[in-house]
Amino acid sequence: DGGITQSPKYLFRKEGQNVTLSCEQNLNHDAMYWYRQDPGQGLRLIYYSQIVNDFQKGDIAEGYSVSREKKESFPLTVTSAQKNPTAFYLCASSTVTNQPQHFGDGTRLSIL
Amino acid sequence: GQQLNQSPQSMFIQEGEDVSMNCTSSSIFNTWLWYKQDPGEGPVLLIALYKAGELTSNGRLTAQFGITRKDSFLNISASIPSDVGIYFCAGQIAGNQFYFGTGTSLTVIP
Repeated sequence: DGGITQSPKYLFRKEGQNVTLSCEQNLNHDAMYWYRQDPGQGLRLIYYSQIVNDFQKGDIAEGYSVSREKKESFPLTVTSAQKNPTAFYLCASSTVTNQPQHFGDGTRLSIL
Repeated sequence: GQQLNQSPQSMFIQEGEDVSMNCTSSSIFNTWLWYKQDPGEGPVLLIALYKAGELTSNGRLTAQFGITRKDSFLNISASIPSDVGIYFCAGQIAGNQFYFGTGTSLTVIP
């Protein structure tokens, strides 16, 4: 079945550590996105990529980094510079950036 | 980023009742989307709207693209327990990213 796979479902991080969240899609979509979801705040855009080897900062990119070396994959690294990383992280993709996005099932990141 | 005001924030209704929620913005949007999110999962696209005044249905769900292009509405008829979840609107200004509302949490009481 085509879809977006995020892993792991739950992730725990010690303070000062970098962690990488995985997002893979087999929908042949060009555009991919990372959002952060906090209670009562909706979805906020961290980074997006319109095409392989290209990505742009969203509204809350500080403390995060991404790469887009393959069309299917858009991993997100939460760096130690992100002071409040505990959140639910959602990856999405679309055929192009002006089309509706389809979401993965998310990764919940917690700080130990 | 753009602010999308979604209301109400939460709703508690009896099974069988109809539901209405809306999303407003100070900006003009070219596209409106409505998503539903179940706990611990990603949002699922319900309806996409592309023209001012457009009215689109998906089963018991009906959504409208407001005439002013600054708002959108979602109605659910004859609610059932599986309608429980958080409903998000999302709007897009031409060529730009989608902006999401803060969500309406729906509880259906059997």
